[in-house]
Amino acid sequence: GEDVEQSLFLSVREGDSSVINCTYTDSSSTYLYWYKQEPGAGLQLLTYIFSNMDMKQDQRLTVLLNKKDKHLSLRIADTQTGDSAIYFCAESPKGDSSYKLIFGSGTRLLVRP
Amino acid sequence: SQTIHQWPATLVQPVGSPLSLECTVEGTSNPNLYWYRQAAGRGLQLLFYSVGIGQISSEVPQNLSASRPQDRQFILSSKKLLLSDSGFYLCAWARDILTLHFGNGTRLTVT
Repeated sequence: GEDVEQSLFLSVREGDSSVINCTYTDSSSTYLYWYKQEPGAGLQLLTYIFSNMDMKQDQRLTVLLNKKDKHLSLRIADTQTGDSAIYFCAESPKGDSSYKLIFGSGTRLLVRP
Repeated sequence: SQTIHQWPATLVQPVGSPLSLECTVEGTSNPNLYWYRQAAGRGLQLLFYSVGIGQISSEVPQNLSASRPQDRQFILSSKKLLLSDSGFYLCAWARDILTLHFGNGTRLTVT
């Protein structure tokens, strides 16, 4: 079945890079996603990557996909205090027309001034 | 533009009491609708989804139920709450595979 795993916590200093990692089990997933959740709020899409890509860059965000190892990472360059949030990795099961996403447990990123 | 409304924002209910959480979407038609739950220290768990009026798919067996009486209305219910039902409930909608749009959530505490 589908399963997505992430480490629970990451602490970095402001200005450093943050790398959040995720492993997934469904090798047929069409897309993989990163969502951000600020305190007490819903989730917002940060970025996504199509399964036939290895890397995607969007301003300070870099997504790396290793399909062989079923490993997804999100790198945030020049991390700011406003980046403190919970980051969720998610996958979309292939062939599922419901558009439902399977989420990981979330990684809480704390940015220290 | 599309918006999603979820209410109430916070709810404290005693064990054994009923529950009704409502979610409505504006600015789009025939969206897929979802209820997720985020329990303390745990990830985001998909509870129910709906691809059309009256169509409900359950992902996790439990004492909760969902209904979609109108195209853009999704309701999460329970006849008798359990302590384990405490959590942060999120409604979401989607029209394609690329973006899931979330509401601001309802924090439910069962005492």
